[in-house]
Amino acid sequence: DTGVSQDPRHKITKRGQNVTFRCDPISEHNRLYWYRQTLGQGPEFLTYFQNEAQLEKSRLLSDRFSAERPKGSFSTLEIQRTEQGDSAMYLCASSLVTDSLDLTGGNEQFFGPGTRLTVL
Amino acid sequence: SQQGEEDPQALSIQEGENATMNCSYKTSINNLQWYRQNSGRGLVHLILIRSNEREKHSGRLRVTLDTSKKSSSLLITASRAADTASYFCATDATGTASKLTFGTGTRLQVTL
Repeated sequence: DTGVSQDPRHKITKRGQNVTFRCDPISEHNRLYWYRQTLGQGPEFLTYFQNEAQLEKSRLLSDRFSAERPKGSFSTLEIQRTEQGDSAMYLCASSLVTDSLDLTGGNEQFFGPGTRLTVL
Repeated sequence: SQQGEEDPQALSIQEGENATMNCSYKTSINNLQWYRQNSGRGLVHLILIRSNEREKHSGRLRVTLDTSKKSSSLLITASRAADTASYFCATDATGTASKLTFGTGTRLQVTL
């Protein structure tokens, strides 16, 4: 399967615990995004990487959240001291971005199946 | 924050009928993308339309874009029960490094 994969698919944790999610993008994609989706809403942007560089973080990403993409391939998203309000679906997406594609209007983002986090 | 708004919020049709969903957005865009999401699952990319395009087709899908009105529509023809899902529009706004801003979605129910 050459799509975006995420692990785990489900995570149940107790308030105050730390959790870490992993995302493996499509192999040739240089850009990786994290989004969060709560029930009944569309996904909201959290952060993105261009290769290994984290270039933007949303104000939704409190200091309890940290993301890495150490070798420009897979990415991890860690939430420390989880709170019940962190319960959501965490979605990863990847895309191939080049200067020429940017000039012609961008490219598709392909999403993984998501990690559903439940904080008790 | 959600940029786009889909209309209607929910739509129920019978198999074989056409379904039309509308999306409005607020800022200038590079492109607009439509996604489908089955209950509790990830997003499946359906179609991308660039800001210099007005209409695009893919199988039973037809997307239009009116940048002057900042709106788009998704038409699904000859709907099937398997089309039952939530549909989201997402905008790639100019100067935002292609991060997508999603609407709140249209929940489509196709009955036999």
